[in-house]
Amino acid sequence: DAGVIQSPRHEVTEMGQEVTLRCKPISGHNSLFWYRQTMMRGLELLIYFNNNVPIDDSGMPEDRFSAKMPNASFSTLKIQPSEPRDSAVYFCASSPWQGSGNSPLHFGNGTRLTVT
Amino acid sequence: QKEVEQNSGPLSVPEGAIASLNCTYSDRGSQSFFWYRQYSGKSPELIMSIYSNGDKEDGRFTAQLNKASQYVSLLIRDSQPSDSATYLCAATGFQKLVFGTGTRLLVSP
Repeated sequence: DAGVIQSPRHEVTEMGQEVTLRCKPISGHNSLFWYRQTMMRGLELLIYFNNNVPIDDSGMPEDRFSAKMPNASFSTLKIQPSEPRDSAVYFCASSPWQGSGNSPLHFGNGTRLTVT
Repeated sequence: QKEVEQNSGPLSVPEGAIASLNCTYSDRGSQSFFWYRQYSGKSPELIMSIYSNGDKEDGRFTAQLNKASQYVSLLIRDSQPSDSATYLCAATGFQKLVFGTGTRLLVSP
């Protein structure tokens, strides 16, 4: 079991640039989640997918953020244009879907994004 | 009001003592509750889950749930310096897991 794989581990970019974060969930897991973590706000759920379909994107801060899951083994989170306040650690997590929400999450190692 | 609330700490305990971490949640429909441990610079890792009222023990860890009071706690017995980390409480509503901001635990030798 390779776990949830995220890339890149670190990203430093200038304000206004496009940033794309990538995630490969654990094989067989039907749900995929994108979280953002900051000191001030903790872990915030941005969006989650079930069977590749976006279920809840109410946590996406604004239109500059978009996420896709074209197949069961890959998802992207894109920020365009990026701003300094987007600096945070972005985690991807997956879980086997059990409908009632009883499944714990398996987290990737995160992408530390710094926007200057 | 945040959906899941925790005291940010730090909670300082000496080695060998019992550490008690607390969490309250606002959604009465929450069915599942989890405790995650996060070391500095690392990702959260699951240490305990609890789904029904009462206590659940796993080694040195005991999770306690009181749905009437909307309260979840984690007890760590015989605390070790390696337990020093941030502990995140999480609760599920409908198909969604919401985290508290975490309590930082410091265990001194």
